[in-house]
Order: sequence, then structure tokens, then C-alpha cells
Amino acid sequence: DAKTTQPNSMESNEEEPVHLPCNHSTISGTDYIHWYRQLPSQGPEYVIHGLTSNVNNRMASLAIAEDRKSSTLILHRATLRDAAVYYCISNYGGSQGNLIFGKGTKLSVKP
Amino acid sequence: NAGVMQNPRHLVRRRGQEARLRCSPMKGHSHVYWYRQLPEEGLKFMVYLQKENIIDESGMPKERFSAEFPKEGPSILRIQQVVRGDSAAYFCASSRGRGGTYEQYFGPGTRLTVT
Repeated sequence: DAKTTQPNSMESNEEEPVHLPCNHSTISGTDYIHWYRQLPSQGPEYVIHGLTSNVNNRMASLAIAEDRKSSTLILHRATLRDAAVYYCISNYGGSQGNLIFGKGTKLSVKP
Repeated sequence: NAGVMQNPRHLVRRRGQEARLRCSPMKGHSHVYWYRQLPEEGLKFMVYLQKENIIDESGMPKERFSAEFPKEGPSILRIQQVVRGDSAAYFCASSRGRGGTYEQYFGPGTRLTVT
């Protein structure tokens, strides 16, 4: 279902930047790119989303390729609390409302 | 501004009983989504509702499951005659508009255990 490709897992050291890649080569021109994360035993948490331009918020930055076929979520300084599964979503259900989650990238952060 | 609230957080039902899961969206949000996460699996969309309307129920099993979002009160996901395979975490999310354009905010989930 999901039309995004992410690495299964990544490791990072605490206080270092993390770049989480995502390929979405079949994205349509009007589809936003969303990132969510899920910590163990918790509900998903919205991280960031964008359409064409790079986006920044207090949690992360989203760098979108010019052709929009890929994007990168950037955590500027990883903390132990950032250890989670990160989902990149670029397609939505028939109603254009629901999110289609893939397997995501499991990020481990080492102290 | 309180986040999305779900109750109960944990629910234990015997096979054949009914389960009612409640979701109160964030203030100002009129779009509600329900997702299910089976053990060791990913999140799967079930149903998308706006006030008093079901917009998309393509992910909902055709039997035993129903959802509503009345004009007043929380959204309810109802599972009749539960079976062991219904044991899962059920998450509700809300947004200001359609989820493709707007971000969705998730609740903490209801963990249903069927014995």
C-alpha cells in the first residue's frame, strides 16, 4: 500500500544530527509529505509535513528534493527520547484523508 | 489545549462481548480517524469521520465493527461480539481538515485484550 521507501533501521549517537531518508518516487503533485514517529507503547506523534519547500519547526527540519521524489527528515541534535519508529507518508487513502503507514525506520540513539 | 483523549486506555473483554472505544478530538477539530495496530504490525486505517458523517470506512471490517461521530460528544468505535483477533491497540486521530493537507494528532490509544 505505502508508496514510500525507508531504511528499516538507523543508529545515531546522542547529540549528533540525524538524517532520515525517504523515497517517494510516485508522489503526485498535490500530495504532501508527512513525517510521524511512534515511541514504544505510545500513539503516533506528528513531526512535520511539507509540500515543496523545506520546512522547519521546533522538532525537526524537512528537506524536500526539487523533483519531490525524495525527502529527508533532519533531527538536529538527537536525544535518547528521539528513539522511535519514524514514518514517512506521501500517499493517502481514497478519501484523501487517512494516512497510509509503511514499516518506517526504527531509530536507535546511543548515549 | 488538551490533546486527543481516548478512553478507556485498557479494555479487557471476553469473546462474544461488546467493546466501546471513545475518542474526544482536539478542540476545534471536526475530522476524526480510527487506526488499528495489531501486535508487531503497522498501523492500519479503519474509518474517517466528520461530524455526523462517515467519509471513508474502507478499512473497517464489514461485520461487527461500526463507528460514529455524533453532533455532540465523542466519536465511538464499537466492536460487537469480539474475537481474539480483535486484540490490538486502537488509535484515534483528529485534524482541522482532510488529513492529506493537515497534520493529524493522535491519542494515546485503547489497548483491547480479548480473552
